Amino acid sequence: SQQGEEDPQALSIQEGENATMNCSYKTSINNLQWYRQNSGRGLVHLILIRSNEREKHSGRLRVTLDTSKKSSSLLITASRAADTASYFCATDGQGAQKLVFGQGTRLTINP
Amino acid sequence: DGGITQSPKYLFRKEGQNVTLSCEQNLNHDAMYWYRQDPGQGLRLIYYSQIVNDFQKGDIAEGYSVSREKKESFPLTVTSAQKNPTAFYLCASDPGVLAGELFFGEGSRLTVL
Repeated sequence: SQQGEEDPQALSIQEGENATMNCSYKTSINNLQWYRQNSGRGLVHLILIRSNEREKHSGRLRVTLDTSKKSSSLLITASRAADTASYFCATDGQGAQKLVFGQGTRLTINP
Repeated sequence: DGGITQSPKYLFRKEGQNVTLSCEQNLNHDAMYWYRQDPGQGLRLIYYSQIVNDFQKGDIAEGYSVSREKKESFPLTVTSAQKNPTAFYLCASDPGVLAGELFFGEGSRLTVL
């Protein structure tokens, strides 16, 4: 079963613009993670935000978490062509030691 | 370099044949996972193992089998009972911290002809 749902499914912007992706989930969580996947490759961990945190930054990435709305957003500022990838949120809402992934947002940065 | 190695990268098989995908890690991680990814979709958990000689079914275990005889290795067998095996398979590991960061291999793409 999939816990997180990303929105939009696809996003295309110009280089230099900011990109915002959203993730909604259904059950309470301990933490929420964002991953990136280049086409045909494995996933790479970007950032983890705990349920008692509201915002976290890492370089050009900013993640927010609203547990009352069961949602999170990932903002990539000053986008670059190399940011073109699929982005997934993952939550631990099922308990047990496993993450549940959403279907991802396909981000295309146009030069 | 430490990491997770999946092999083969690409695999073609005829219908009805069993296939084993390899996953090896040198990160000294306790937990290992197998996910399946279909085109344009998210990841679905097939099996996971938190310790050697123990593993649990994930959400879509039917038609798959695994073993965990060594800490470093977690091979996945796609059996002939799996009705639609063509997919991208991803192996991952983590050090055993509850729902912590996963480290992924580069994936194996299986095509059944």
